[in-house]
Amino acid sequence: RKEVEQDPGPFNVPEGATVAFNCTYSNSASQSFFWYRQDCRKEPKLLMSVYSSGNEDGRFTAQLNRASQYISLLIRDSKLSDSATYLCVVTRGGGGNKLTFGTGTQLKVEL
Amino acid sequence: GAGVSQSPRYKVAKRGQDVALRCDPISGHVSLFWYQQALGQGPEFLTYFQNEAQLDKSGLPSDRFFAERPEGSVSTLKIQRTQQEDSAVYLCASSPGVDQPQHFGDGTRLSIL
Repeated sequence: RKEVEQDPGPFNVPEGATVAFNCTYSNSASQSFFWYRQDCRKEPKLLMSVYSSGNEDGRFTAQLNRASQYISLLIRDSKLSDSATYLCVVTRGGGGNKLTFGTGTQLKVEL
Repeated sequence: GAGVSQSPRYKVAKRGQDVALRCDPISGHVSLFWYQQALGQGPEFLTYFQNEAQLDKSGLPSDRFFAERPEGSVSTLKIQRTQQEDSAVYLCASSPGVDQPQHFGDGTRLSIL
C-alpha cells in the first residue's frame, strides 16, 4: 500500500463546476500536508498548505482530518486553466523534510 | 529568474551507459533534494543534501545511483550501467532550510533505449 493514496481520475468537469479531490495517508507521524499542482511536462508547484482548521485561497479550499488521516481539496467555479494534475503531499518532519507524494489526480476542465 | 536549473533537459542513452544529471539550486539554498518521477506516478524521494553533506540516501533504488554535492551548491546525480527501468523524469528541488518550501526545477527527462 502506498503511503499517500489518491484517485488518479481523470475528473472531467465543465467550466464553472465545483470539484473535490480526496487523499488518505497511512503514516500517523506525518506532520505537514500540502497540495501541489503539476502541469503536463512541467515541475510540481506548491498550490497550498493544508491545516486542520481548514484554509482557503480564492477558489481553493483545503482541509485536513488528522483522526481519519484524510486530506481534501475543493475547487469552486473551475476554470479551463485549472486543468492539471493535483498531487497530495505529506512530510514526516526532520531529515530535511522530504516530500512524499501521492500518484496525483488528473483534472480536465472542459467548455 | 534565478530558479532551480537542471541540465540536460532531455537525455537519451543506451542501456548500460553511464549518465550524469546536473542541478543548480537557487543561490543560498541549504537543502537540496532529488526525486524520480515515473510516467503516471507522483515524484518519489531519492536523496537529500544539507550543504555538502548527504544526510539521507534511503530512496536511491540501487548502488548504481550516486549523488554528490561537493561544494554545497551544484549537485550531480549519476546513474551507472543504466537499465530501461531507470527511464523517468529526475527532479531536483532546493529550499532555504529545513521546514522551508521546496522549489523544483523543470527536471531531466531520461530515456534508456
